[in-house]
Amino acid sequence: QQQVKQSPQSLIVQKGGISIINCAYENTAFDYFPWYQQFPGKGPALLIAIRPDVSEKKEGRFTISFNKSAKQFSLHIMDSQPGDSATYFCAASNNNNDMRFGAGTRLTVKP
Amino acid sequence: DAGVIQSPRHEVTEMGQEVTLRCKPISGHNSLFWYRQTMMRGLELLIYFNNNVPIDDSGMPEDRFSAKMPNASFSTLKIQPSEPRDSAVYFCASSLVGNTEAFFGQGTRLTVV
Repeated sequence: QQQVKQSPQSLIVQKGGISIINCAYENTAFDYFPWYQQFPGKGPALLIAIRPDVSEKKEGRFTISFNKSAKQFSLHIMDSQPGDSATYFCAASNNNNDMRFGAGTRLTVKP
Repeated sequence: DAGVIQSPRHEVTEMGQEVTLRCKPISGHNSLFWYRQTMMRGLELLIYFNNNVPIDDSGMPEDRFSAKMPNASFSTLKIQPSEPRDSAVYFCASSLVGNTEAFFGQGTRLTVV
């Protein structure tokens, strides 16, 4: 069963806009929440990650917002660029390295 | 380090044949994962090993699938017999135990005809 639910499935944003991708999890044993970026023909690569002791983490144009009580987290991409066009996966992991991924969001940033 | 190395990159096989996918994790990493990616189901965790020991294989779809990790530097995923619905991209990833970044290989695109 899908332990991490991700939405939307696809997203089209204009250059300069904000891209928002949402994820929800159920297992409270998860304590590490990474986001991965995947370009066609490549394996996913870590973009940014957060642990539940903070509610927000920002790295450049990428921000994770984390709501522990709601068991939800989201990725915000500010000033989206065509080069950000890729598939994004949220994931959740426990201390035993059991890492589960969401279904992915295909982002297209139009110039 | 060359990263996680998977072979082959592409595999086309006939239904009923045995398929073996190979993975060399990053040196020093002690967790290894096998994932399957399809358009319909995204990235599914098939099995993962910590310190060469299988921890959770509940994602392995059927008994036709098996995975081994005979040592810290090598793992295989075998499908016998293969079926057309096994067609997907199979990824291997490695990391350190304890919730750290997982590094993915380039994947093996399997097509079963």
